[in-house]
Amino acid sequence: GENVEQHPSTLSVQEGDSAVIKCTYSDSASNYFPWYKQELGKRPQLIIDIRSNVGEKKDQRIAVTLNKTAKHFSLHITETQPEDSAVYFCAASSDNNDMRFGAGTRLTVKP
Amino acid sequence: DAGVIQSPRHEVTEMGQEVTLRCKPISGHNSLFWYRQTMMRGLELLIYFNNNVPIDDSGMPEDRFSAKMPNASFSTLKIQPSEPRDSAVYFCASRPGHAGETQYFGPGTRLLVL
Repeated sequence: GENVEQHPSTLSVQEGDSAVIKCTYSDSASNYFPWYKQELGKRPQLIIDIRSNVGEKKDQRIAVTLNKTAKHFSLHITETQPEDSAVYFCAASSDNNDMRFGAGTRLTVKP
Repeated sequence: DAGVIQSPRHEVTEMGQEVTLRCKPISGHNSLFWYRQTMMRGLELLIYFNNNVPIDDSGMPEDRFSAKMPNASFSTLKIQPSEPRDSAVYFCASRPGHAGETQYFGPGTRLLVL
């Protein structure tokens, strides 16, 4: 089955700096890669996703890149703000195998 | 749409008691998932259903845990008897169709077993 690894487990940045979170996956058949943001005491919520036919996707300050050859994908947050502080989860799934989540990254943005 | 609905939102019980968590998926979604989240183990998939049929229950910790989905709009996760180590946040999520689609999470049930 799929195995998703996520790094780093914690990340602290200064407001305005960029943050990068990286994930690797094991199943070459995986073709859907969502990212979830979970604020303290709240549910995980989808913030951006990418499919295997695309190498990069951007939505305002967040972007995701995918390298299918290397089986890794990354979340990039630019111009970070304190409200970006949360736990971020990556995940991977294929048409035949359901979603597996990474262990999460706790991002802290210092004002 | 109201999104995924879970009840209760908070549950405090004593060791040995039966606990039943409830979930109503988003209307029209074919798949439903139960997750457990703790600081130590992160987000764990317990079981999921496709079209009301359990597909993968390999994440269910032990026989004390059971899940049912009697119809497309309702699922339960039952713990009997409960133990302090079951204390966690339990999330239900639903998905429209096949595996390559987004899951939408409910607000979660925060369970504390004393």
